[in-house]
Amino acid sequence: NAGVTQTPKFRVLKTGQSMTLLCAQDMNHEYMYWYRQDPGMGLRLIHYSVGEGTTAKGEVPDGYNVSRLKKQNFLLGLESAAPSQTSVYFCASSYSTGRGGNTEAFFGQGTRLTVV
Amino acid sequence: AQSVTQPDIHITVSEGASLELRCNYSYGATPYLFWYVQSPGQGLQLLLKYFSGDTLVQGIKGFEAEFKRSQSSFNLRKPSVHWSDAAEYFCAAAPRGGYSTLTFGKGTMLLVSP
Repeated sequence: NAGVTQTPKFRVLKTGQSMTLLCAQDMNHEYMYWYRQDPGMGLRLIHYSVGEGTTAKGEVPDGYNVSRLKKQNFLLGLESAAPSQTSVYFCASSYSTGRGGNTEAFFGQGTRLTVV
Repeated sequence: AQSVTQPDIHITVSEGASLELRCNYSYGATPYLFWYVQSPGQGLQLLLKYFSGDTLVQGIKGFEAEFKRSQSSFNLRKPSVHWSDAAEYFCAAAPRGGYSTLTFGKGTMLLVSP
């Protein structure tokens, strides 16, 4: 069972470069999320998706874009990386209870991004 | 605004001693509540969750949590801590109904002393 898989696991970018982080889940979950984790800040939601073709902004969306062209994939893009985007990024997915409720999120192993 | 508060940034417990990690939430209505654990360099693993019913919830690895509506709390407990429990623990909440997103506390780092 792969669960939630993130690629790459590590990346170093120069300021101004762009990159895309890929998240793939094999659990047929409707919902997918991108969080960033910084020391002392907990996990903060960047963007999320409630289904294929839909995305929405979270708490800290600036500087990031996302796409969900396929149900199983959720891409996070940085168009022009800045040192403030140095962080650990986590993708997660969850499923609906069918009565409109959400369930617990399943997390990937994280991507450690350093912007120099 | 909806929020989750973990008052303790670090906690040190002797191996074999009991543990309680605090979590308070601020939501208009009782949210779904979760506890996650994160070992160094790893992703987050769900320990337990509360949706409804019995206010004492059993989880994996010998953890339990008690939901107290009157105190807006969902504290995590373990009767006897093992050295392998050293990790960071996150409380999280999500509003009921419709699509919802998790809001996390800032985490509590548990250190276990011999």
